[in-house]
Amino acid sequence: SQTIHQWPATLVQPVGSPLSLECTVEGTSNPNLYWYRQAAGRGLQLLFYSVGIGQISSEVPQNLSASRPQDRQFILSSKKLLLSDSGFYLCAWSPGGPRPQHFGDGTRLSIL
Amino acid sequence: EDQVTQSPEALRLQEGESSSLNCSYTVSGLRGLFWYRQDPGKGPEFLFTLYSAGEEKEKERLKATLTKKESFLHITAPKPEDSATYLCAVQPPGGGADGLTFGKGTHLIIQP
Repeated sequence: SQTIHQWPATLVQPVGSPLSLECTVEGTSNPNLYWYRQAAGRGLQLLFYSVGIGQISSEVPQNLSASRPQDRQFILSSKKLLLSDSGFYLCAWSPGGPRPQHFGDGTRLSIL
Repeated sequence: EDQVTQSPEALRLQEGESSSLNCSYTVSGLRGLFWYRQDPGKGPEFLFTLYSAGEEKEKERLKATLTKKESFLHITAPKPEDSATYLCAVQPPGGGADGLTFGKGTHLIIQP
C-alpha cells in the first residue's frame, strides 16, 4: 500500500531564516505531488504541483519554492521566511486523473 | 472562479442525532467531488469520491450524495468518534495537474 511521510511535524523559525520541508511517498511510482497550505479559518490552498521529476508548477505567487529531485520526493523551500508564511503545510499525492489525493500529516510552521 | 461553500461552519449534535452537511459548488464540467475527514493536527483523510449527479456512496454511518449543484454528507446515529472537520473539494476540468478546490469545512462535534 502507499504511504506518504512529511517532516518535521512542527517547526518554529525566526523571520528571515531559510526553510526546507520534505515529503516522500512510498508504494507508487510517478505520482502527482502537491503542496497545500491551510491557514486558520481558510480552506486548503494549493501552492505547487508536480507531474514528474524537475517539473514544478506554482498556483500562487509567493515567497516559497518547490523542487522534485526524485520521483517520490517533494521539497518546499524558502530563502527568507516572512511572518505571513506561518501555517499548516500539507503534502499530497495522487495517481493523476479524477482520483482522490492522499495527504500526509502536515507540518505546523510558526514564524516568530 | 470555481467556488466551494460548506455549511454549516460548525455543528454540535447529541450522540445518535442524525444530520446532514452541505457542500455547494459552482464549477463547470465537474470531474469529481471529494469528501475528507480531518482530525486536529492531522492531514485530511479521504472518505468518498462522487463523479455524477445521482451518485451515492456509503461507509459506516456516513453517506454522501451528489446533485448538479451540491453534495450532502449524511451522518446517521453519530458517535463521539465521528467528531472532526469534514472537508469537501471539487476537481474542475483543466485544473493544474488535477488540483482540488476545497471548501472551508464543517466542524462537527458529537456530544455523548
